[in-house]
Amino acid sequence: AQSVSQHNHHVILSEAASLELGCNYSYGGTVNLFWYVQYPGQHLQLLLKYFSGDPLVKGIKGFEAEFIKSKFSFNLRKPSVQWSDTAEYFCAVFMDSNYQLIWGAGTKLIIKP
Amino acid sequence: EAGVAQSPRYKIIEKRQSVAFWCNPISGHATLYWYQQILGQGPKLLIQFQNNGVVDDSQLPKDRFSAERLKGVDSTLKIQPAKLEDSAVYLCASSSEGTQYFGPGTRLTVL
Repeated sequence: AQSVSQHNHHVILSEAASLELGCNYSYGGTVNLFWYVQYPGQHLQLLLKYFSGDPLVKGIKGFEAEFIKSKFSFNLRKPSVQWSDTAEYFCAVFMDSNYQLIWGAGTKLIIKP
Repeated sequence: EAGVAQSPRYKIIEKRQSVAFWCNPISGHATLYWYQQILGQGPKLLIQFQNNGVVDDSQLPKDRFSAERLKGVDSTLKIQPAKLEDSAVYLCASSSEGTQYFGPGTRLTVL
């Protein structure tokens, strides 16, 4: 069955630390991958997406993600986090069979000032 | 470009009452989704529309939930009667070229 796994449910970092959030998926079709972010009290926003081409994609606010096909992974990274990055991050895979997203459970990121 | 609009933003009702949520998608987006998001979990798809037709409602609890998108634009989601476990955020999203864009959601509290 199709699934998305986010390895860490909670991550706590200090400002300026480097960030990597793991995402692995299980889906046999054409893969379109997304990271969404939900800041406290705000709605889900698109952080970045991968459809094809360069497997290293850059998103807003200095985030990037790398698609590694052989590992079925799409990990999110940021070299130096800020307090304002405190949010919940969701990885999602788009299924071209039915135009739906499979969602990970989310990772709550807390940045200590 | 205006985003996905939803109303109300918050709703508190007692169990067994009914409630309705409204969504206006981004102009030109043919596909519209309703999700339920319970605290600490990812969004769960309730129903998917393509224009005014239902594509997938397999996870919609049809004994109490209903949704419509009469003219292929705005959509309403209704719960009747509500249960305590329906307390959640109800998200509407519309999509273009495979990317979904979300509204602010309606936070429902059932007492």
